[in-house]
Amino acid sequence: KAGVTQTPRYLIKTRGQQVTLSCSPISGHRSVSWYQQTPGQGLQFLFEYFSETQRNKGNFPGRFSGRQFSNSRSEMNVSTLELGDSALYLCASSLAQLATNEKLFFGSGTQLSVL
Amino acid sequence: AQKVTQAQTEISVVEKEDVTLDCVYETRDTTYYLFWYKQPPSGELVFLIRRNSFDEQNEISGRYSWNFQKSTSSFNFTITASQVVDSAVYFCALSEGLAGNTGKLIFGQGTTLQVKP
Repeated sequence: KAGVTQTPRYLIKTRGQQVTLSCSPISGHRSVSWYQQTPGQGLQFLFEYFSETQRNKGNFPGRFSGRQFSNSRSEMNVSTLELGDSALYLCASSLAQLATNEKLFFGSGTQLSVL
Repeated sequence: AQKVTQAQTEISVVEKEDVTLDCVYETRDTTYYLFWYKQPPSGELVFLIRRNSFDEQNEISGRYSWNFQKSTSSFNFTITASQVVDSAVYFCALSEGLAGNTGKLIFGQGTTLQVKP
């Protein structure tokens, strides 16, 4: 079974641009979550999607958005990029068959550099 | 507010030594879940263990063991007879035990473990 796939693996953008990151969950997984990892702030939850609906959101500005498609694939978008958005963005999926708190399966991430 | 503290930023040991990674958490919830994840240099986090707040039994899996103590709000992780392949960043995480809360974890800052041959 293929794992969680994130594309692209690396991205370089300049301030003010926007970027879209893609995540394909494990087949059959219905929940997709996104995390930002930086050396200073560590791992921070961005949002979670389940059945094409956002059901959890972290404390990030509105420039960060996401969506989930009917095949559970997800994208996240960051508009008007700032230098501080440079980070490793990790996607995670889970079956979400239980009511709550299942283990997450993570992708290798997209390393975004904003110049 | 929920919080996870991993006070040890970096630990360096020699192969075959035992090592314990500390994790202290804060939450007002009576139902919550605790996790440990490993992040090798490749970047993806690998699940190690999940424990709910009502299950204080210690767990052993091969060379790995976990000690959960609600009285001290700690969920420590011990690697016995460490190996070079154990070198990675280890994260402790906490989540609320709410229905529908699958993907939101509060992570500690991580402990970088270096095992030298």
